[in-house]
Amino acid sequence: DAGVIQSPRHEVTEMGQEVTLRCKPISGHNSLFWYRQTMMRGLELLIYFNNNVPIDDSGMPEDRFSAKMPNASFSTLKIQPSEPRDSAVYFCASSRLTSGTHTGELFFGEGSRLTVL
Amino acid sequence: AQSVTQLDSQVPVFEEAPVELRCNYSSSVSVYLFWYVQYPNQGLQLLLKYLSGSTLVKGINGFEAEFNKSQTSFHLRKPSVHISDTAEYFCAVSRPVSGSARQLTFGSGTQLTVLP
Repeated sequence: DAGVIQSPRHEVTEMGQEVTLRCKPISGHNSLFWYRQTMMRGLELLIYFNNNVPIDDSGMPEDRFSAKMPNASFSTLKIQPSEPRDSAVYFCASSRLTSGTHTGELFFGEGSRLTVL
Repeated sequence: AQSVTQLDSQVPVFEEAPVELRCNYSSSVSVYLFWYVQYPNQGLQLLLKYLSGSTLVKGINGFEAEFNKSQTSFHLRKPSVHISDTAEYFCAVSRPVSGSARQLTFGSGTQLTVLP
């Protein structure tokens, strides 16, 4: 079975440029999460969606960050304009309702490593 | 509010020795508990989970964890580690937020390094 697919795996860009990260969740999963991982802050939840609707975006650092989920099989995380402090590994994860409730178990993609120069 | 504390950021251990990675949590509501493992340059993958039932949970790769409600702990153990177990391990707690949704909170991680 295909897992969570993220692209690109690596992105190097210059400060001020727009960055778009993409995620395809596992088929049948109806929740999607974006996390950021850095040495200093560890794993941070940025935003999550249930049934394509953003539920909690309180972790989004600032207005430069935006996320969309136009359908059940695709999501994007956009940074515009990017800054060096945005350098991190960005993970997408998905999960599904089981017997009417989420267990909280997440399936992670392999991450997108972003470097902003 | 809930938090997850992993007491050790780094744990070096020799090959074939036993290991315990500690995790404590604080939560005022019923929780589900997880351990995830992250190998270098990869995403996190589930090692084991506690949802209900037996407090001793067995996972993949010979790991197990015990849920201790009175001590609010969920320590991860393996009786004999291998070089290939070198990775970062994350404890996580899931709590209900609204309706059927639950939110997962991760600890800061413990880097396990197995030495030859």
